[in-house]
Amino acid sequence: AQSVSQHNHHVILSEAASLELGCNYSYGGTVNLFWYVQYPGQHLQLLLKYFSGDPLVKGIKGFEAEFIKSKFSFNLRKPSVQWSDTAEYFCAVNALGTGRRALTFGSGTRLQVQP
Amino acid sequence: EPEVTQTPSHQVTQMGQEVILRCVPISNHLYFYWYRQILGQKVEFLVSFYNNEISEKSEIFDDQFSVERPDGSNFTLKIRSTKLEDSAMYFCASRRGGTSNTEAFFGQGTRLTVV
Repeated sequence: AQSVSQHNHHVILSEAASLELGCNYSYGGTVNLFWYVQYPGQHLQLLLKYFSGDPLVKGIKGFEAEFIKSKFSFNLRKPSVQWSDTAEYFCAVNALGTGRRALTFGSGTRLQVQP
Repeated sequence: EPEVTQTPSHQVTQMGQEVILRCVPISNHLYFYWYRQILGQKVEFLVSFYNNEISEKSEIFDDQFSVERPDGSNFTLKIRSTKLEDSAMYFCASRRGGTSNTEAFFGQGTRLTVV
């Protein structure tokens, strides 16, 4: 069964610092990849997604992620974080061809941005 | 912007009681999901529903759980006899479908507390 690993559980940054959150998955076939964000007290919102094509995808709020197939990775980046980026970030994978349409989530990374 | 809505936002119930969590998916979506997130843990898949039947379920989704789409708009999760370990945030999600390359939209969640 596929799994998703997010190695950073809690990240604390100062405003304007650069961000990179790691995400690795275990599945050798075709995948759809997602990053969701959960602001305090709110629902999961889609930040960005990769289905096919350009492995560098841009999402909302200045976030981007790069799919590196050889490394089974889909790391999230933002060049300059803001206090309002404080949230929990979840990487999720949909492994195509398995018959499973549901998402497999990572354990999440709590990002705290200090003003 | 259409969204997935869940009610109630917080439900407290006594152990052994039945609870029904309600969701209204986005109206033209075909696939419906329930996920849960125990405090401090990852988001876990429970069940997916398509064409008025369960299309996939996880090992968590045992005989105590059931789902229903009683009318054209609601999608419910019932837990027949709640246990302490059922305490979690329950998220409903829906996906348009048609192809595999569509993302899931999540509701704001129902926090279930079993006492």
